[in-house]
Amino acid sequence: GQQVMQIPQYQHVQEGEDFTTYCNSSTTLSNIQWYKQRPGGHPVFLIQLVKSGEVKKQKRLTFQFGEAKKNSSLHITATQTTDVGTYFCTPPNTGNQFYFGTGTSLTVIP
Amino acid sequence: DGGITQSPKYLFRKEGQNVTLSCEQNLNHDAMYWYRQDPGQGLRLIYYSQIVNDFQKGDIAEGYSVSREKKESFPLTVTSAQKNPTAFYLCASSPPGRRSQETQYFGPGTRLLVL
Repeated sequence: GQQVMQIPQYQHVQEGEDFTTYCNSSTTLSNIQWYKQRPGGHPVFLIQLVKSGEVKKQKRLTFQFGEAKKNSSLHITATQTTDVGTYFCTPPNTGNQFYFGTGTSLTVIP
Repeated sequence: DGGITQSPKYLFRKEGQNVTLSCEQNLNHDAMYWYRQDPGQGLRLIYYSQIVNDFQKGDIAEGYSVSREKKESFPLTVTSAQKNPTAFYLCASSPPGRRSQETQYFGPGTRLLVL
């Protein structure tokens, strides 16, 4: 199945700072999805990007899909302690399998 | 309320014991999945099922077994053959639709500890 590389693996920020995580694929993706997992919790679906160059916003979260559909990013403006967790980008389901890598673990320091 | 439930939240297993983790959904989803997550790691697929009475092995199926007798239920048994079962187990389901655009809905998970 398809896999993606996500960086950084860990990120610590002061509350109020911005945060960005990047997702890269060696192949063109038909779409990409983002999930968030709070500490001790389960992954929750955030968004799906389908179109080349697509940008979607959810309050302080901005999701982008690259023009070549090989990369994606999640940017959080002015982080809050509620943003703590691990953010996963996942490529499309191929061969009946989803791929969840290690994600980016975000720590927000109050 | 619609959703996915997993029980128990915590489970303790003795050496050589089989244990079964429950996963139930009332979302009318056809596809269901079991994942294992170790500390600081991503999710690894154990088994998945696209329809009732059919299931397929994932990447780490050894030492695990499943059944899918009902659409709503997809229990996972961790057998004594699984030598390192301590982990966080997550069940998920997907609504019907185009396979490449499936999203997953996760249950709250079960933490399994070996005594």
